[in-house]
Amino acid sequence: AQSVTQLDSQVPVFEEAPVELRCNYSSSVSVYLFWYVQYPNQGLQLLLKYLSGSTLVKGINGFEAEFNKSQTSFHLRKPSVHISDTAEYFCAVTPSNAGNMLTFGGGTRLMVKP
Amino acid sequence: DTAVSQTPKYLVTQMGNDKSIKCEQNLGHDTMYWYKQDSKKFLKIMFSYNNKELIINETVPNRFSPKSPDKAHLNLHINSLELGDSAVYFCASSQDPGIGRTEAFFGQGTRLTVV
Repeated sequence: AQSVTQLDSQVPVFEEAPVELRCNYSSSVSVYLFWYVQYPNQGLQLLLKYLSGSTLVKGINGFEAEFNKSQTSFHLRKPSVHISDTAEYFCAVTPSNAGNMLTFGGGTRLMVKP
Repeated sequence: DTAVSQTPKYLVTQMGNDKSIKCEQNLGHDTMYWYKQDSKKFLKIMFSYNNKELIINETVPNRFSPKSPDKAHLNLHINSLELGDSAVYFCASSQDPGIGRTEAFFGQGTRLTVV
């Protein structure tokens, strides 16, 4: 079984400041990792994913994440946020030998202030 | 064109009623899913369907039943609704990992409120 912990339920930040949203996971098998974003009253949209290869992955909207196997982390970063980045962000994992049976973290609400 | 579409977007109903939520995907994917997001935004997988076969069924009450008339549709039927069923239900689809891995695409969600 897998579990995902997002350490911060809310992250307030000023516009144009950098941000890091933290994600840690536990699993007894190899996993793939994802970050999804949910804008208010919207569905989930994939930001980026790590399947294999380079541990630094780049996604849409200027986001990137780094997979750290030893620390079982997959933190999401953006060097300069915009008001439009205000949303709920979800980290998720799935066993690498399965489909998209995603296990989600509890979500982090990013609040960008002017 | 919307890739994964759900209807209705909002559903308000009384306890004890039976209701259905429809989901359609036009991506040609082989696998479809239902997720439940509770009031605290916690997302949990409910069902997964691949080529009309249920390949996993999480420990959800048997009042919930997925029905897939064809590969492009996965509807969710809920019998004898309870207050605790109030949540946002998301449909998703992805390509069969045996063919090639793609990410899951999600619908806009159906907000179910049981009163």
